[in-house]
Amino acid sequence: EAAVTQSPRNKVAVTGGKVTLSCNQTNNHNNMYWYRQDTGHGLRLIHYSYGAGSTEKGDIPDGYKASRPSQENFSLILELATPSQTSVYFCASGEGGIQDTQYFGPGTRLLVL
Amino acid sequence: GDSVTQTEGQVALSEEDFLTIHCNYSASGYPALFWYVQYPGEGPQFLFRASRDKEKGSSRGFEATYDKGTTSFHLRKASVQESDSAVYYCALGMDSNYQLIWGSGTKLIIKP
Repeated sequence: EAAVTQSPRNKVAVTGGKVTLSCNQTNNHNNMYWYRQDTGHGLRLIHYSYGAGSTEKGDIPDGYKASRPSQENFSLILELATPSQTSVYFCASGEGGIQDTQYFGPGTRLLVL
Repeated sequence: GDSVTQTEGQVALSEEDFLTIHCNYSASGYPALFWYVQYPGEGPQFLFRASRDKEKGSSRGFEATYDKGTTSFHLRKASVQESDSAVYYCALGMDSNYQLIWGSGTKLIIKP
């Protein structure tokens, strides 16, 4: 089974500050994804990647950047954090196309004050 | 566009009850269908998937059958346990789309 880890698990940030959320996967999956989960909205895709060096915009990319420096690592960057970005963020990885299974990390709980 | 509908926002059952969570989909082609389970404080966990009409997926006592005729993939379990308390998500994947389409989730509560 795929192993996806996220750090930090909890983060408190100030408005206007920079936040970096990190994700690591050890099963050599090509695809990686960043989601946020909010009550009433379910899971929403922010950015995704097909492999090292690639990043693509998902449904709600505004205010977020992504970086995929290697097969294993995928970061989500909030250059200027806002309180509306308070949420739980999940990283996922998947082997192949969108019809293949995605494996999720444990999540990062972000509070922007 | 493609969509997934879970009609029950919450289901409350007693231990050993039979569970059905309804999932209906709308898609222009032939999607893969998934069930994920999310326990409190954790990420969604893959339960199982199906990609062909009449294919049955199953795991941990849960099962669902892909039904193209009724565009459904209902989750069932014969006898629920307290440990099954969680939120269950149905999802759809189409090769023509870059992302999974998620249902709104169904919270399963097992009454003591």
